[in-house]
Amino acid sequence: GAGVSQSPSNKVTEKGKDVELRCDPISGHTALYWYRQSLGQGLEFLIYFQGNSAPDKSGLPSDRFSAERTGGSVSTLTIQRTQQEDSAVYLCASSLEAGGAGDTQYFGPGTRLTVL
Amino acid sequence: AQSVAQPEDQVNVAEGNPLTVKCTYSVSGNPYLFWYVQYPNRGLQFLLKYITGDNLVKGSYGFEAEFNKSQTSFHLKKPSALVSDSALYFCAVYPWGTGFQKLVFGTGTRLLVSP
Repeated sequence: GAGVSQSPSNKVTEKGKDVELRCDPISGHTALYWYRQSLGQGLEFLIYFQGNSAPDKSGLPSDRFSAERTGGSVSTLTIQRTQQEDSAVYLCASSLEAGGAGDTQYFGPGTRLTVL
Repeated sequence: AQSVAQPEDQVNVAEGNPLTVKCTYSVSGNPYLFWYVQYPNRGLQFLLKYITGDNLVKGSYGFEAEFNKSQTSFHLKKPSALVSDSALYFCAVYPWGTGFQKLVFGTGTRLLVSP
């Protein structure tokens, strides 16, 4: 079956531009997560969505970052006025249910963002 | 605070030898523990997880991990390493029952298996 898909796979942008990253979770998964992987920084949680509940935005590094999830499925992570420090691989994951007993998160291939 | 430590940045092992990648955790709730592997330019792939029951968990590609509550460890092991096992390995913990509903990842350990 289809896994988590992300687009684009690579994005190069200029400092100050806005970017949108897309995630399509596994069908039937109600929980969706965004992480950022920076060189030497490991995996940093950004935001997660669980069904129709308000998203947990506690990991977003600044108000330039926002995300939405339409219809409980596809999610878009938007970074406004990009900075060079935003350069990273952005990973999306989904699971059956956030907070479920040890639900496994399945990851997409990531979007590599480079801000020049 | 919920945390996971992977004390080795890199582990080197010869093909055919056993390998161990170490992980220790610190959580206030019941730990649900995971191992993921990341190949170059790829996302994370799930290897195995411990929820409850038998402390020895078997996963994909011949990997296994042992949950040790007294030592708060969850080391990843494989009896005979392959060159193709060379990748970046992440340990993660889900502190069930604390209301902290996020996976907390370690910093990763690079495994290099030499021919």
